[in-house]
Amino acid sequence: DAMVIQNPRYQVTQFGKPVTLSCSQTLNHNVMYWYQQKSSQAPKLLFHYYDKDFNNEADTPDNFQSRRPNTSFCFLDIRSPGLGDAAMYLCATRRRGVETQYFGPGTRLLVL
Amino acid sequence: GQQLNQSPQSMFIQEGEDVSMNCTSSSIFNTWLWYKQDPGEGPVLLIALYKAGELTSNGRLTAQFGITRKDSFLNISASIPSDVGIYFCAGQLSSGGSNYKLTFGKGTLLTVNP
Repeated sequence: DAMVIQNPRYQVTQFGKPVTLSCSQTLNHNVMYWYQQKSSQAPKLLFHYYDKDFNNEADTPDNFQSRRPNTSFCFLDIRSPGLGDAAMYLCATRRRGVETQYFGPGTRLLVL
Repeated sequence: GQQLNQSPQSMFIQEGEDVSMNCTSSSIFNTWLWYKQDPGEGPVLLIALYKAGELTSNGRLTAQFGITRKDSFLNISASIPSDVGIYFCAGQLSSGGSNYKLTFGKGTLLTVNP
């Protein structure tokens, strides 16, 4: 019955080695978000898709990219992970016209 | 930009006690959301508030959308050990178009002593 699914739940990568995190949803929601959350902090928005329209936050590093091949799937690509990119990455979805966002369980990224 | 002040930062209570936490904003919001986050998991929606003055309950949880649209509180009655976690408030000001962004408070860490 999971509605927002994130894989993997835990990801270990090496410094500078590209990594991709995935998110899928069964809710058929138009809007998908990617957040970064560091320990003891609130989630920080990286970018979001409204249907196929990509919206980047002004302070999101160029190192972070995203793809949304269809309504159900969204990917977060980190081109050259640094130690400071170790964090929990959260995907969230929302239906057009409804303000409520639903979060996935997150992917914990560790950079060695 | 908009800022949310969430208090208290942390609470340590005995099982069975009632709990109250709140958020205040420098700007008005159209929607207030309350989430709970367990360690290693994503935030789970507890209560959504859409109208100023609205008071909504979800089991032992009660939340209100302030009349001024700049504040909200969450109450938990008769706390139990599984209430432990971080509670986040989040406000949303619909800016039209596709830009529905959440502004988060810094969270309230709740510890319940059995």
